[in-house]
This record gives sequence, structure tokens and C-alpha cells, in this order.
Amino acid sequence: SQQGEEDPQALSIQEGENATMNCSYKTSINNLQWYRQNSGRGLVHLILIRSNEREKHSGRLRVTLDTSKKSSSLLITASRAADTASYFCATVNSGNTPLVFGKGTRLSVIA
Amino acid sequence: DAGVIQSPRHEVTEMGQEVTLRCKPISGHNSLFWYRQTMMRGLELLIYFNNNVPIDDSGMPEDRFSAKMPNASFSTLKIQPSEPRDSAVYFCASSFAAYVLQETQYFGPGTRLLVL
Repeated sequence: SQQGEEDPQALSIQEGENATMNCSYKTSINNLQWYRQNSGRGLVHLILIRSNEREKHSGRLRVTLDTSKKSSSLLITASRAADTASYFCATVNSGNTPLVFGKGTRLSVIA
Repeated sequence: DAGVIQSPRHEVTEMGQEVTLRCKPISGHNSLFWYRQTMMRGLELLIYFNNNVPIDDSGMPEDRFSAKMPNASFSTLKIQPSEPRDSAVYFCASSFAAYVLQETQYFGPGTRLLVL
């Protein structure tokens, strides 16, 4: 089954730095979504980008999508300790199928 | 809205016992998903419902697992008999989709299951 794969698996940065996480997938998609999971909690939706979009912003988040390379990136600017979490990309291919999640990137932001 | 509600939040049981996990989706949502998360396998989709009807249960690991959605506001995931390898965090998620199941999902807090 199609599955997004995040890279890197883990990332550690200082507060105030930018964090970039990447997601690659295998087949054509309808949309791609990013979720955050704080330790011991459920996943929280961050942003959805459709296949005909190239970039989307939400606050300190910037998501890009390159369908020719089958990849997406999530940029968190001016990171804060509260951004420490796991970040997942989830892809949806054409057809009436649900999300398929990757294994996530664990981000640690050190104060 | 209170969000997706799951109960219990923690469950410790002994091998062979029946376990029932419960989920109340967000009011108005018409799709419901059950996931299992472990360190080894990540987040796995077990089964999903659309308008209370099970659409795809191919992710259910074996016959010991069953799920029901008797109405739009309640779903259960049952494991009988439970085994230590079933230990995981089980999430329920819901979404509203007019035509497709591709929109934002809202997750509950999860049930942390430990089978001894």
C-alpha cells in the first residue's frame, strides 16, 4: 500500500532554529496531510495540501509539495520547546480510500 | 464539541481476557477509523466505517478482533481473547466526508492497552 515515509526519523534542534521534515511517497496522490503527535496524545491535524497546490502556510508552518518528485516538506520556523513532538505525513491516493500514515519524525526542540 | 472520546484511557488485563474499547466520534461526522500504534509497526489502520457501515476491515490482525458501530455516536473494538502482542495504543478517529474519506481526521486521546 502507498505510504508516506518521513525523513529524518529524528531531529534535534535549538529553540529559535527552523526545523525541516520531509516526506516521500510512491504513487499519485489526491492530497497530503501533516499531523503532530505529542507524547501520550492522539494525532492532531496541522495542514492539508492538495495535489494541485505547491505551497501552503499556516502560522509558523510552511508545507511544500512537489508531485514530480513525489515529495513534501514541512518547515517549522522559529521553533519552540512546545513544538517537540512526532510529525507524520499522511497520503491519500485517488479513489475513495482513507489516509495512510508514515512512521513519523521525532522532533526535539531544546530550550 | 468535546472531540473524539475514548474509554477507557488505560487498560491492563491478563492474557485470555476479553477487552472492549469504546469510541464516541464527533457529532455530525460520518466516518470512523480505528488505529493501532506500536513502536515497531507505527500507526496501523485496523478498520473504518462510513455511515455506520464497515467499509474495510482488512487491517484487522485476526479473528480475535471485531468492531461494531451500532449507531452514529458509538463504536466498539473488541479483542477476544487478548494476547500480550495486542499491547499497544488504540486510537479512534472521525471525520466528515461528503464524497470521499480523504479529509481531515480528528483523533481521540487513545486507549493504552497492556496485556500481561
